[in-house]
Amino acid sequence: EPEVTQTPSHQVTQMGQEVILRCVPISNHLYFYWYRQILGQKVEFLVSFYNNEISEKSEIFDDQFSVERPDGSNFTLKIRSTKLEDSAMYFCASSQLRTRTDTQYFGPGTRLTVL
Amino acid sequence: QKEVEQNSGPLSVPEGAIASLNCTYSDRGSQSFFWYRQYSGKSPELIMSIYSNGDKEDGRFTAQLNKASQYVSLLIRDSQPSDSATYLCAANAGKSTFGDGTTLTVKP
Repeated sequence: EPEVTQTPSHQVTQMGQEVILRCVPISNHLYFYWYRQILGQKVEFLVSFYNNEISEKSEIFDDQFSVERPDGSNFTLKIRSTKLEDSAMYFCASSQLRTRTDTQYFGPGTRLTVL
Repeated sequence: QKEVEQNSGPLSVPEGAIASLNCTYSDRGSQSFFWYRQYSGKSPELIMSIYSNGDKEDGRFTAQLNKASQYVSLLIRDSQPSDSATYLCAANAGKSTFGDGTTLTVKP
């Protein structure tokens, strides 16, 4: 069964450094998402992406964040200058459609630790 | 008011019992609803999706949706210790909005 994959599984970085989190969505899916979950808190929407453009973003997704689909398979989240409060699990998700009934499939997540 | 609100846990039930998980949502534009199971440190795993009013059954799981009341529930019949996890309710209006989750413990 096709699945969303994410690398790395765990990233440790120093405050102020740039990180890139990578995702490979399910191959025939057209819509891509990033969510984050701070330890002990709920899953929060960051951004959705379709046709090489951001469709929607939350207030969390400020200028420090960017997303890119550099090739036909990868979808990346870049955090330019990490802060301590960026420490969280970051989940990538993809869906075939962006209708209000389509299911989003989640990857296993990348645990980001900012020291 | 939270956009998606779940009944506060933790919830503990004995093995074999029915576990009932509840969720309300505030955005009337939400048209699809999902229940995910999440083990500690892992990603959400889809259990059920529901789009229409009424009940939807899948094995031991039954999801119920009442759009007029903006209410979604998940029943787990014959609960097993392996069902012990945090259950997340999500409402989808393009993006998914998650509740805080309800932690379920099934005691042998």
